Amino acid sequence: QKEVEQDPGPLSVPEGAIVSLNCTYSNSAFQYFMWYRQYSRKGPELLMYTYSSGNKEDGRFTAQVDKSSKYISLFIRDSQPSDSATYLCAMSGGGSNYKLTFGKGTLLTVNP
Amino acid sequence: AAGVIQSPRHLIKEKRETATLKCYPIPRHDTVYWYQQGPGQDPQFLISFYEKMQSDKGSIPDRFSAQQFSDYHSELNMSSLELGDSALYFCASSLTGGQGSPLHFGNGTRLTVT
Repeated sequence: QKEVEQDPGPLSVPEGAIVSLNCTYSNSAFQYFMWYRQYSRKGPELLMYTYSSGNKEDGRFTAQVDKSSKYISLFIRDSQPSDSATYLCAMSGGGSNYKLTFGKGTLLTVNP
Repeated sequence: AAGVIQSPRHLIKEKRETATLKCYPIPRHDTVYWYQQGPGQDPQFLISFYEKMQSDKGSIPDRFSAQQFSDYHSELNMSSLELGDSALYFCASSLTGGQGSPLHFGNGTRLTVT
């Protein structure tokens, strides 16, 4: 079993829809949780960064972390065609271990 | 804002050749990470450096080596290349310390081994 599980999709939604992306993980040492967006042939772009449990909102994006359930989510409101990309969840442990462990990524297509 | 710069963007090599990939981190970032991403795969951690010293090691083959220089740029050296080494290689940098620091990625080097 991988440390981080993410449904690879693909996920196809109409423009304006609310998108929900999720990851589960098994390593209880993870404390830092990130969502990256990756367009084809580009590097992962940091979208959201959260520490420990709770919610964080940034514009149309909301990240949720539930450490008790080892479950994280990313919500995208009013989705746009420009949101079409692969979304990767990533996480790391505390102390000096900042290397990221990624989920497989979910391919999202927002249709105009 | 300045981002992570990687060079070259594309590289084509033959089997058993060597390749050197370069990474220039965001200014003032002290930690660099190398990741390998195969087609349709998530990025796999290879190795990281903090203040020019190796800080963590992942699934990096013995044929690969890396280092971080005094100006904080890093190079990934790959020898005896195999077909399976064809992938996107990403470098990321962060400012490490305190409550953690998110990684910022470059746009990668696409290596094709023929």
